[in-house]
Amino acid sequence: NAGVTQTPKFRVLKTGQSMTLLCAQDMNHEYMYWYRQDPGMGLRLIHYSVGEGTTAKGEVPDGYNVSRLKKQNFLLGLESAAPSQTSVYFCASRRRAGGNNEQFFGPGTRLTVL
Amino acid sequence: TQLLEQSPQFLSIQEGENLTVYCNSSSVFSSLQWYRQEPGEGPVLLVTVVTGGEVKKLKRLTFQFGDARKDSSLHITAAQPGDTGLYLCAGARGGSQGNLIFGKGTKLSVKP
Repeated sequence: NAGVTQTPKFRVLKTGQSMTLLCAQDMNHEYMYWYRQDPGMGLRLIHYSVGEGTTAKGEVPDGYNVSRLKKQNFLLGLESAAPSQTSVYFCASRRRAGGNNEQFFGPGTRLTVL
Repeated sequence: TQLLEQSPQFLSIQEGENLTVYCNSSSVFSSLQWYRQEPGEGPVLLVTVVTGGEVKKLKRLTFQFGDARKDSSLHITAAQPGDTGLYLCAGARGGSQGNLIFGKGTKLSVKP
């Protein structure tokens, strides 16, 4: 099992460009999450999904969109990147029930917006 | 609004010392987790505490959940350089979704 994988690992964008971050999990987890991690801010939830075809907003959703067309994939899109979106992005997944809420994280994508 | 306050934010100690990291909130959580994150990697779960007053031990690490389920502590005995990393606490507010709220983290450096 690869667990949770994220692509790309690094990306540099210019202001106004768009991009999509891909998250894939092979654990058959129902729930998936996108977080951003900034120095001194901890992990903040952007969007999450409780199942295929469903998404919901988290704490900091503005400027991002997501899609969950397949159970194993969760995509995070930036339509018009801004320097404030420079961050490290983490995807996570977990089972719907049991497992004490444990979330499994990917290795992260480091995004720089110039 | 930061619901989980972690302290200290930074901690630099010598190998063999003991340390305690605190995670405090005014909110009640159905469960609380501690994660450890190494540079360039995602967080990895260390422990989940569910019952008020619960104490769990993981080798040299001792985790405690407050009686009122609003706070938690992580105590490391005889710290080793391999304990170096970012320690994050995360609380679940209950309900079927159980989204986690993360503290800002404690960056621990253990020098040999």
